[in-house]
Amino acid sequence: EAGVVQSPRYKIIEKKQPVAFWCNPISGHNTLYWYLQNLGQGPELLIRYENEEAVDDSQLPKDRFSAERLKGVDSTLKIQPAELGDSAVYLCASSVSRDSYEQYFGPGTRLTVT
Amino acid sequence: GNSVTQMEGPVTLSEEAFLTINCTYTATGYPSLFWYVQYPGEGLQLLLKATKADDKGSNKGFEATYRKETTSFHLEKGSVQVSDSAVYFCALSDHGGSQGNLIFGKGTKLSVKP
Repeated sequence: EAGVVQSPRYKIIEKKQPVAFWCNPISGHNTLYWYLQNLGQGPELLIRYENEEAVDDSQLPKDRFSAERLKGVDSTLKIQPAELGDSAVYLCASSVSRDSYEQYFGPGTRLTVT
Repeated sequence: GNSVTQMEGPVTLSEEAFLTINCTYTATGYPSLFWYVQYPGEGLQLLLKATKADDKGSNKGFEATYRKETTSFHLEKGSVQVSDSAVYFCALSDHGGSQGNLIFGKGTKLSVKP
């Protein structure tokens, strides 16, 4: 069974540029999460999808961040424009449902904003 | 609000030493508790879990017991191996409106020397 796939693995951009991250969850997993992980910190939830619906986006900075999950499968997370403080690892995870105790994480995208 | 506090690392041990990584939590109600592990270059993966008080989670020689009276979920292993070198995250998930959302501690880096 393939795991959660994320791309790119690494991205370096200049501040004020846009950037997008892509996530393909495990087949059949209805719930998808995007997390932000700063250096030396644990992951923090940005947004959770149940199928194609964003059901918890309270921690997503909506002035510059946006996300979508078309057809309830793949998801993209976008930042526009990027700021220096956005440098971090962006993690995607999926689970069968919100009732499932186990989330499966992708390897993450490490973003560096210069 | 809900939160998780872990002992700070890094922790450096010799092979076959005893490991304890402390974790305490603050939560309303009775959350489920988890330990996730992140090996170098890989995504987070669930190590063990406990869903109610006095439950003991165990996997790969690691154990943790859900202690409601001390709000703790300490991770232990009797004899660590070099292959256990990783970052360990304690996490909780409440059973209320944000069920399924994980709140992580900052992580504890473990290095095991031969």
